[in-house]
Amino acid sequence: AQTVTQSQPEMSVQEAETVTLSCTYDTSESDYYLFWYKQPPSRQMILVIRQEAYKQQNATENRFSVNFQKAAKSFSLKISDSQLGDAAMYFCAPLGGSNYKLTFGKGTLLTVNP
Amino acid sequence: NAGVTQTPKFQVLKTGQSMTLQCAQDMNHNSMYWYRQDPGMGLRLIYYSASEGTTDKGEVPNGYNVSRLNKREFSLRLESAAPSQTSVYFCASSEHRGSSTDTQYFGPGTRLTVL
Repeated sequence: AQTVTQSQPEMSVQEAETVTLSCTYDTSESDYYLFWYKQPPSRQMILVIRQEAYKQQNATENRFSVNFQKAAKSFSLKISDSQLGDAAMYFCAPLGGSNYKLTFGKGTLLTVNP
Repeated sequence: NAGVTQTPKFQVLKTGQSMTLQCAQDMNHNSMYWYRQDPGMGLRLIYYSASEGTTDKGEVPNGYNVSRLNKREFSLRLESAAPSQTSVYFCASSEHRGSSTDTQYFGPGTRLTVL
């Protein structure tokens, strides 16, 4: 079974600065995928970024990038040049296992201060 | 493309009433999912349908039934609603469950309150 830990229930960042959200997970699988989803106050779950565990290169999507440390089972999300619209709850979610389950962490609430 | 749509957006039920949540996707995805989100929690899988004609239980299936009506539509039914089913319900879809294209895209959610 997979477990996910997001150790920062809340984070804040100044507009235009950089923030890193932490995520660690536990899995016995060698082949899996990792996702970050964003949930703004509108409640919509929005895909931010995806990482394949077999790839050594860290995924990037515009201002969003990850630091994937497979041996440490760590998958952090870096948001550069933070914008007010980045304010949301962020969920880390590994996908894998025999039942291909997407397991969500409890989330980190990000506040962006103007 | 609308992506994943859900109806209704909000619903209030009394204990014991039944209702069906509707979900449709226009991305030609094979796999569809129903999740619930409770306060302070991530999402938990209720049921999924890996392909048209199949459904399987997820983590928290008790009290729910599902129907994969066709490739586009996947409904969730509460036969006898209970206050413990008060939650936000999300539908999601992905191209192929268990493959490299298993990236899930979510609908806007339905907020359900059971009194």
